[in-house]
Amino acid sequence: EAGVVQSPRYKIIEKKQPVAFWCNPISGHNTLYWYLQNLGQGPELLIRYENEEAVDDSQLPKDRFSAERLKGVDSTLKIQPAELGDSAVYLCASSLVDRTGRNEQFFGPGTRLTVL
Amino acid sequence: GQNIDQPTEMTATEGAIVQINCTYQTSGFNGLFWYQQHAGEAPTFLSYNVLDGLEEKGRFSSFLSRSKGYSYLLLKELQMKDSASYLCAVRDSNYQLIWGAGTKLIIKP
Repeated sequence: EAGVVQSPRYKIIEKKQPVAFWCNPISGHNTLYWYLQNLGQGPELLIRYENEEAVDDSQLPKDRFSAERLKGVDSTLKIQPAELGDSAVYLCASSLVDRTGRNEQFFGPGTRLTVL
Repeated sequence: GQNIDQPTEMTATEGAIVQINCTYQTSGFNGLFWYQQHAGEAPTFLSYNVLDGLEEKGRFSSFLSRSKGYSYLLLKELQMKDSASYLCAVRDSNYQLIWGAGTKLIIKP
């Protein structure tokens, strides 16, 4: 079974430029998450989708960040314009609601963003 | 506010046992997770506790006490490949995962 796929793996841009990240979750997983992770910190949730609906975007800086999951499968996260403080690893994860209630999240390899 | 506390860094010797503690204060409780994250890689699931007690899985065990807001991850027969960060995360009443900052475990020969 293929895991969560993310691209690109690395991105270097200058501040004020736009950037986009793509994520394809594990097949059949209805819940998709975008996280931001700084070095030495835990992941911070940006947005959570259940199918194509954003059910939790309270931590998404909506003035510059946007996300979409149009068909309830893959998703795109965009930053426009990027700021120096946006340098971080952007992680995508997916999970499946099952009978156990565990709903563990499976993570992609992440995109390491550097804003110069 | 919601808070997860775990030690920043721990050091242990190859072949030994180490216990990584996690205390939490969250709005409700719907399970606690431990994830392993090697440097430069994504977190991978290790264990899940929703009821009090010990869950054992090979060399790794995880314990939960809901009344104390406390969990620990126990790693036995440490191997060099166990050098990683270990993240504690609690699912709150809104089914949102609250993450700790992680404990960096250093294994020495």
